[in-house]
Parts: sequence; structure tokens; C-alpha cells
Amino acid sequence: QQQVKQSPQSLIVQKGGISIINCAYENTAFDYFPWYQQFPGKGPALLIAIRPDVSEKKEGRFTISFNKSAKQFSLHIMDSQPGDSATYFCAAGSNFGNEKLTFGTGTRLTIIP
Amino acid sequence: GAVVSQHPSRVICKSGTSVKIECRSLDFQATTMFWYRQFPKQSLMLMATSNEGSKATYEQGVEKDKFLINHASLTLSTLTVTSAHPEDSSFYICSASIRAGGRTDTQYFGPGTRLTVL
Repeated sequence: QQQVKQSPQSLIVQKGGISIINCAYENTAFDYFPWYQQFPGKGPALLIAIRPDVSEKKEGRFTISFNKSAKQFSLHIMDSQPGDSATYFCAAGSNFGNEKLTFGTGTRLTIIP
Repeated sequence: GAVVSQHPSRVICKSGTSVKIECRSLDFQATTMFWYRQFPKQSLMLMATSNEGSKATYEQGVEKDKFLINHASLTLSTLTVTSAHPEDSSFYICSASIRAGGRTDTQYFGPGTRLTVL
């Protein structure tokens, strides 16, 4: 019940296109859903996060869509750029991030020119 | 934004020695810090959760006597890998929860420490 399933495992998108990564969870106690971006040899960096009281949150080119009834959330990267090439992890937690996060398995995103 | 630092960034040690990794929140007080390990091309696995002034809570399967965690202050947590062996070689990452406006919110991650045990 603590699992967070993430897909796809890898994704190749042309420059300027939309990158979409999906996650699904089971634990209804989760109330905090962040996305992290990680470059090789670096720690994860928080990109954007959402709470279940909204269905969408947008920050710049990054948008989270959240479907509470389906227990799914997704990251959309608009106008994808080569600099966005990285591994992306979704996560879910309780108590607004104060408690431990359960991470998805990661998506390796490659943006090609 | 909130900054979490780790020291050292890389460490190479001989089998059987102990290694200490520091995690600091530089511009905020962290009520809770978390320690993760990450193997190449894999996700982050939570090892333990530590709250300032109290004992760490370890995840199932993590040896508390091997991975000693001390959370001495609201800005510093340390992970000591005791009697390290080659299988302990990994990328260790800490994170810290920031308290903002009276509500604990958001985890920020450190840059990670690459441990190689020869």
C-alpha cells in the first residue's frame, strides 16, 4: 500500500515537445505529492509539489495534474529543452512532507534536438 | 531557496573503517532529517528518519548498529557507517523538512555523498 508506481521508465522527447510522466499511488493517507529532478551524481532537486485540494498546479513550464479519485498524478513539461534531460522521481508523503516520502522508480528523460 | 549541504561529497575508505557523513540545513531549522541511499540507476531508498534530540527511526532491514544516526541540533544530522564493507558503497543523500509559517512543509535534499569502500 506504500508503493508509488511510476511510468514510463525512460522517455525520449523532441525539443519543444511535451514530456509527460505518470505516477499512481494506493495509500489514501498521502497528502503531499512532489516531483524531483536529479542529474547524475547530484541530489534530487524539488521541482514542484501539489496537495490533494487542487487538481492542477503550474510553475513555469512544469505542471502537475492530480486526480484524487483515480489516485494518479502526472508531471507535464512543456516546451521541453535539452537541459531538461535528467531523471525525474515522483514521490508521495503524509503530513505535508514532514513524514517520510515514498519514491517512484524514476523516469530517465532525454530531450533530443 | 532552502539549502541543504553534505560533507564530504566523496569518500573512499578501506574495508573495516568507519565513515561519518554530515548533513546541514544552512538557512533554516530542520525539525526532521531523512537519510536515503541510492544505487546506480535506481530510486532512493529511505534508511532512517531522525528528529532533533531523539533516536532515529530506522526502516525495516536497515541495521541501526551499522548506520548510526545522530541529530544533534536543528541544523545538523550525521550518518556514520561503521565497519564499512564494499557492499556499503553507494550514494547517500540526506533531506530536511523545513518549517515555514508554523507548518512543517517540503523536503529539500542535499547534494549527496558518494561512498566507495575498497
